[in-house]
Amino acid sequence: NAGVTQTPKFQVLKTGQSMTLQCAQDMNHNSMYWYRQDPGMGLRLIYYSASEGTTDKGEVPNGYNVSRLNKREFSLRLESAAPSQTSVYFCASSERGLAGGINTDTQYFGPGTRLTVL
Amino acid sequence: SQKIEQNSEALNIQEGKTATLTCNYTNYSPAYLQWYRQDPGRGPVFLLLIRENEKEKRKERLKVTFDTTLKQSLFHITASQPADSATYLCALGSSGGYQKVTFGTGTKLQVIP
Repeated sequence: NAGVTQTPKFQVLKTGQSMTLQCAQDMNHNSMYWYRQDPGMGLRLIYYSASEGTTDKGEVPNGYNVSRLNKREFSLRLESAAPSQTSVYFCASSERGLAGGINTDTQYFGPGTRLTVL
Repeated sequence: SQKIEQNSEALNIQEGKTATLTCNYTNYSPAYLQWYRQDPGRGPVFLLLIRENEKEKRKERLKVTFDTTLKQSLFHITASQPADSATYLCALGSSGGYQKVTFGTGTKLQVIP
């Protein structure tokens, strides 16, 4: 199993350009997520999809859109890139578990996309 | 607002010693807490989960404690090795509704041979 894969690994954009980050998982997970990671800020949730056909905003959704294409794939689109979107982007999927009567959510991450917007 | 605090300064420790990392939180009542490891240029990898009604959890050389009164978790690596050098993230999870996990900023651990 490949787990969670992301493409591309690196990307440089000019301000105003658009692009789509691709993510796929082969673990049959229902939930998928997009995070950005910036120095000193930790992982911040951009959008998530609790199941196929649904998407919801996370902590920092402005400037992004997502598509849950099917159960395996979850893409993130930047319509008009800005320098503030320079970051490392991680896709994750999660396994719903039940531990001691508590529903838990363990996340599996992709390798990340390093995006620079000039 | 919810806040998760991990020591932003790197922790340097001699090989063979026990490394202890701290995760404090405020304005949050998590149902469980997780620890992840992140190596440079890679995504985080899940290590351990501890529930709110558990005091301690162990896995090989790893030990996690969870004190809901102090709102703190401690992550211990015994007999540390240079291969343990990485950034360690704590994450808090809720159990109701959409089960979002909120991550701390991480602590970088350097094990010196």
